[in-house]
Amino acid sequence: QQQVKQSPQSLIVQKGGISIINCAYENTAFDYFPWYQQFPGKGPALLIAIRPDVSEKKEGRFTISFNKSAKQFSLHIMDSQPGDSATYFCAALINQAGTALIFGKGTTLSVSS
Amino acid sequence: NAGVTQTPKFRVLKTGQSMTLLCAQDMNHEYMYWYRQDPGMGLRLIHYSVGEGTTAKGEVPDGYNVSRLKKQNFLLGLESAAPSQTSVYFCASMMHGQEDYTFGSGTRLTVV
Repeated sequence: QQQVKQSPQSLIVQKGGISIINCAYENTAFDYFPWYQQFPGKGPALLIAIRPDVSEKKEGRFTISFNKSAKQFSLHIMDSQPGDSATYFCAALINQAGTALIFGKGTTLSVSS
Repeated sequence: NAGVTQTPKFRVLKTGQSMTLLCAQDMNHEYMYWYRQDPGMGLRLIHYSVGEGTTAKGEVPDGYNVSRLKKQNFLLGLESAAPSQTSVYFCASMMHGQEDYTFGSGTRLTVV
């Protein structure tokens, strides 16, 4: 049972374009939704995160949009750059002791110059 | 400040051999996790620990054992390696009350 579904699996975007990655979840007990960025040969690193009481969060060129009623959230990368080429994972967490992040399957983003 | 250190970085095992992957963190984090990453499968939780001396099973625990004898170390053991355990293994840690992981750089394991 996949608790966090992520799409697309891969994405190619022109430099300067907008990259959009979508995630959906089932468990309404999730209360924290981070996105992690992973470069080849490295471990994932936190990029941006949101809580369900907020519909949008923006940090620089990265924005999370959150739709609580639809149980969906998405990552938007504005003005995509070749340096953004990486694998992106959405995740969800129930914030209580003894729980762990549940990750989506990942999206490999390639930004062509 | 080393963060989360995983050793070894690469390893090739023969089917049936055993090995231990070591994860060490110097941030005094209470929680530690082992994930495996496979193409198209994302990061799947193997085992985790919420404190010294405690461990719990994750999504894919079969074929693995773990120990957390010291707060800073989390060991992942493979008693009898199988080709299906070929993967990249990531350790992560998190402070109690926080929500964000710090990941190690991974161990690439190949079982032939």
